[in-house]
Amino acid sequence: DTAVSQTPKYLVTQMGNDKSIKCEQNLGHDTMYWYKQDSKKFLKIMFSYNNKELIINETVPNRFSPKSPDKAHLNLHINSLELGDSAVYFCASSQGFGRETQYFGPGTRLLVL
Amino acid sequence: DQQVKQNSPSLSVQEGRISILNCDYTNSMFDYFLWYKKYPAEGPTFLISISSIKDKNEDGRFTVFLNKSAKHLSLHIVPSQPGDSAVYFCAASDDGNQFYFGTGTSLTVIP
Repeated sequence: DTAVSQTPKYLVTQMGNDKSIKCEQNLGHDTMYWYKQDSKKFLKIMFSYNNKELIINETVPNRFSPKSPDKAHLNLHINSLELGDSAVYFCASSQGFGRETQYFGPGTRLLVL
Repeated sequence: DQQVKQNSPSLSVQEGRISILNCDYTNSMFDYFLWYKKYPAEGPTFLISISSIKDKNEDGRFTVFLNKSAKHLSLHIVPSQPGDSAVYFCAASDDGNQFYFGTGTSLTVIP
């Protein structure tokens, strides 16, 4: 059973489009995260949600909007996609907030043309 | 500004020998560190952690060493196995609210 799953796995789209990436965890965790890994391999946190509430919101363009309908889901919606948004996006979850082991999804490879 | 650095993008080691992966950090407030392992097309998976109150933590073939004065940690894998071939990320946290990741070191263990 997949603990943290993301869909789609690959996403190729045109500049200016709006797209969503979905994330689900079946671990019963309270906290979920979105990370972006850019072409230089930096893995950087974008958002963190704890019990459906936003905890961390790093300096991310407001074209990126996370939505957490429940504790098990944290979706990422991106408006007006730009070339620089091309990256691998990882979802992760942890039992609590703080120094808890994070479990990562397989990643979504986004390519903006 | 990159607060966690892995200056070796790749490392090759013969099977059975020791692999040593290094990580440096700049923020002296970091007090909790982790190593993650990542296979292609998969997300990172937790490997081992260490708190700043320790200078060594061991789990089977994996040992993490922390040198706080040098702001340096290392991961030792002994003996290295072909299945250990992956990208290894180190990560650090100061207050536990978020982790800062390095850019990873790609380890290849040659049979």
